[in-house]
Amino acid sequence: AQKITQTQPGMFVQEKEAVTLDCTYDTSDQSYGLFWYKQPSSGEMIFLIYQGSYDEQNATEGRYSLNFQKARKSANLVISASQLGDSAMYFCAFPFSGGYQKVTFGTGTKLQVIP
Amino acid sequence: GAVVSQHPSRVICKSGTSVKIECRSLDFQATTMFWYRQFPKQSLMLMATSNEGSKATYEQGVEKDKFLINHASLTLSTLTVTSAHPEDSSFYICSAPQTGSGYGYTFGSGTRLTVV
Repeated sequence: AQKITQTQPGMFVQEKEAVTLDCTYDTSDQSYGLFWYKQPSSGEMIFLIYQGSYDEQNATEGRYSLNFQKARKSANLVISASQLGDSAMYFCAFPFSGGYQKVTFGTGTKLQVIP
Repeated sequence: GAVVSQHPSRVICKSGTSVKIECRSLDFQATTMFWYRQFPKQSLMLMATSNEGSKATYEQGVEKDKFLINHASLTLSTLTVTSAHPEDSSFYICSAPQTGSGYGYTFGSGTRLTVV
């Protein structure tokens, strides 16, 4: 069974600085995908970025990028130039094998951006 | 883009009553809907998967008779919390795969249920 681990329950970052949120996973599948979602205090889940296991390059979406290290089974999210609006919970998510299936979420990291 | 509309956003009900939560896909057909539950400061836990026209699949430990899920059409899935108790108070959120994208999921905005 797939397993996702986020070891940082909380993180602080100074505004305009970069921050890395850790995520490791365990799977025996060869083909898979990983997501990162942001959940502000309002509760909505906001899709940030997706990485496929066979993607040759690390995914990037604006200020978000993934440091994907397949051999180490890690997919860390890097947020550059942090903004106050980035303060939220961040979840790494891993679909069960076999296409778009039910998703397992990590325990989450609460990021607080300090002015 | 794909939108899932979830209602109500907040509901307070008395213990012993039932509450229905609706998730509608507005601009796409959702043959599958995932229902999650989230306690404060915790992660999302999958409760069940509903598929249009068939019975829902519940995760281990989730009471089928308490959390009734119906997926009556390609655009509507509902979760009914029956005989609600204070321990059912939680944040409930639905999610549908975005057909055609291969990997996208669209989430509803969530329902905060408080049972008093």
